[in-house]
Amino acid sequence: DTAVSQTPKYLVTQMGNDKSIKCEQNLGHDTMYWYKQDSKKFLKIMFSYNNKELIINETVPNRFSPKSPDKAHLNLHINSLELGDSAVYFCASSRSELAGSKETQYFGPGTRLLVL
Amino acid sequence: QKEVEQDPGPLSVPEGAIVSLNCTYSNSAFQYFMWYRQYSRKGPELLMYTYSSGNKEDGRFTAQVDKSSKYISLFIRDSQPSDSATYLCAMSVRSSVPTFGRGTSLIVHP
Repeated sequence: DTAVSQTPKYLVTQMGNDKSIKCEQNLGHDTMYWYKQDSKKFLKIMFSYNNKELIINETVPNRFSPKSPDKAHLNLHINSLELGDSAVYFCASSRSELAGSKETQYFGPGTRLLVL
Repeated sequence: QKEVEQDPGPLSVPEGAIVSLNCTYSNSAFQYFMWYRQYSRKGPELLMYTYSSGNKEDGRFTAQVDKSSKYISLFIRDSQPSDSATYLCAMSVRSSVPTFGRGTSLIVHP
């Protein structure tokens, strides 16, 4: 059973379109994250939710809107896609919001987004 | 200067070699240090976790933290082709999301 799953795995779309990426975790974790990994492999935090509440919102264009319908799901909706949005987007989860201390983050397999 | 610096490589070694991967950082408040392994087209997975300074060993892997020099290392003994991956260091202050290095690509050839 996959612990953190994402759909779709690949997404190719035109500039200006709106798209969504879905994430689900079956670990019973309270905290979920979205990361962006660019072509140079830098992994940067975008958002973090704890029990469906937004706790981290880094400097990300407001075209990106996370939504957490319940604590097992964190979806990412992107409006008006731009070329620079092309990257791999990773979802992750941890037992609590203290990720980086004793709480390990578990990552999904990633969604490869290509904007043409 | 980025908060966490890591040479992207690639680092190419023969099978059986001892591999040394390193990161430097600038934030002296970092207390928690992690190494993640990321295979091609997969998500990162936690390999080693260390709190504060010192060494930690797990099988063929040893993590070292030198807070005085702001320098962390991951050693891999008897490297195998299956160790070929990108290794990302990450570090954090308590209650914060980790800051990641850009990863070092390791290639172990038979």
